[in-house]
Amino acid sequence: DTEVTQTPKHLVMGMTNKKSLKCEQHMGHRAMYWYKQKAKKPPELMFVYSYEKLSINESVPSRFSPECPNSSLLNLHLHALQPEDSALYLCASSQDASGSNPSYEQYFGPGTRLTVT
Amino acid sequence: AQKVTQAQTEISVVEKEDVTLDCVYETRDTTYYLFWYKQPPSGELVFLIRRNSFDEQNEISGRYSWNFQKSTSSFNFTITASQVVDSAVYFCALRGGSNYKLTFGKGTLLTVNP
Repeated sequence: DTEVTQTPKHLVMGMTNKKSLKCEQHMGHRAMYWYKQKAKKPPELMFVYSYEKLSINESVPSRFSPECPNSSLLNLHLHALQPEDSALYLCASSQDASGSNPSYEQYFGPGTRLTVT
Repeated sequence: AQKVTQAQTEISVVEKEDVTLDCVYETRDTTYYLFWYKQPPSGELVFLIRRNSFDEQNEISGRYSWNFQKSTSSFNFTITASQVVDSAVYFCALRGGSNYKLTFGKGTLLTVNP
């Protein structure tokens, strides 16, 4: 069983809605990630949090707003999304994200399938 | 720049056949890390293995084995006696020595038919 949990599993939202995706990890990891995955494509990195601070934003539009309330939790706030934002959103965690420890593997949650109507 | 190539887009086999998934990578880093992930239809990426560039030993875990060859920049994955539960998309990924980012290949869809 995965030790990275994500809620909800499925989400349908209109373009004017505000919603949030939630992720929790129970492995004591200090780095957490958001990825977006379109059908038949590999995951694309969106954000990286290291020690609860945003360290990487891969030029993601501001309608996606990440938040890391503590080292175990990661949220992704969604507002005014477009239909092309429909995708599987994956959360991941790793022991560390610093450049000095690139060996640490990332563990992924089951994802949230988002549909924007 | 880093690049991972999984030339096989889709593979279909019959149960109990052996199957090899190919992965070729490019990097300028002298230290790097290679990974394989499995993504079943449920969507979750399951970590399978990490291999460090300075460790060329092959690895076997049950029906799974990995062949890392620096000379050909390849990190191939073999499933022996495949089972229906092995049906999934398999991603090979690379992370360079000083790079925070995982570079994924495009994935190989493996279908194991009963």
